[in-house]
Amino acid sequence: DGGITQSPKYLFRKEGQNVTLSCEQNLNHDAMYWYRQDPGQGLRLIYYSQIVNDFQKGDIAEGYSVSREKKESFPLTVTSAQKNPTAFYLCASSTDINYGYTFGSGTRLTVV
Amino acid sequence: EDQVTQSPEALRLQEGESSSLNCSYTVSGLRGLFWYRQDPGKGPEFLFTLYSAGEEKEKERLKATLTKKESFLHITAPKPEDSATYLCAVQAYDKIIFGKGTRLHILP
Repeated sequence: DGGITQSPKYLFRKEGQNVTLSCEQNLNHDAMYWYRQDPGQGLRLIYYSQIVNDFQKGDIAEGYSVSREKKESFPLTVTSAQKNPTAFYLCASSTDINYGYTFGSGTRLTVV
Repeated sequence: EDQVTQSPEALRLQEGESSSLNCSYTVSGLRGLFWYRQDPGKGPEFLFTLYSAGEEKEKERLKATLTKKESFLHITAPKPEDSATYLCAVQAYDKIIFGKGTRLHILP
């Protein structure tokens, strides 16, 4: 079945450490996105990529980095510069924005 | 400023009690409005896209409608399995803006 796979489902990180969240899709979608979801807030865009080897900052890119070396993969690195990284992270993809996004099942990151 | 506001924040209904969720928006250059369902600890699941005022879409007990300033998600005779958070998102000219969602709880 086609879809988006995010891993791991739960991730714990010590303060000062970088951590990478995986996002893989087999939908042959060109565009991929990373969102952050906090309780009581809407989804906020971190980074997005519309084509391989190209990506743009979203509304809250500070403290995050991404790469898009393959069409299928769009990993997100949460760096030690991100001051409040504990959140639920969602990866999404689309082939045509008019048909909405397909979301992964999310990664819950907790800083301990 | 582009904004999407959903109301109410939370709604508790008895099984079979129909109601509506609201999504009001102020954006320049609306290109589409989306509804998603999100279960706890999971990613949102796409429900509908609406493009123009007057448009309606239906799926099982859900019907989405769109006017020039707002959208409604009507739920008819809901069942406990309809309990979830419903997210509204608006595609403006160059970005998608999500509302904070409505938490719907259907009591058996």
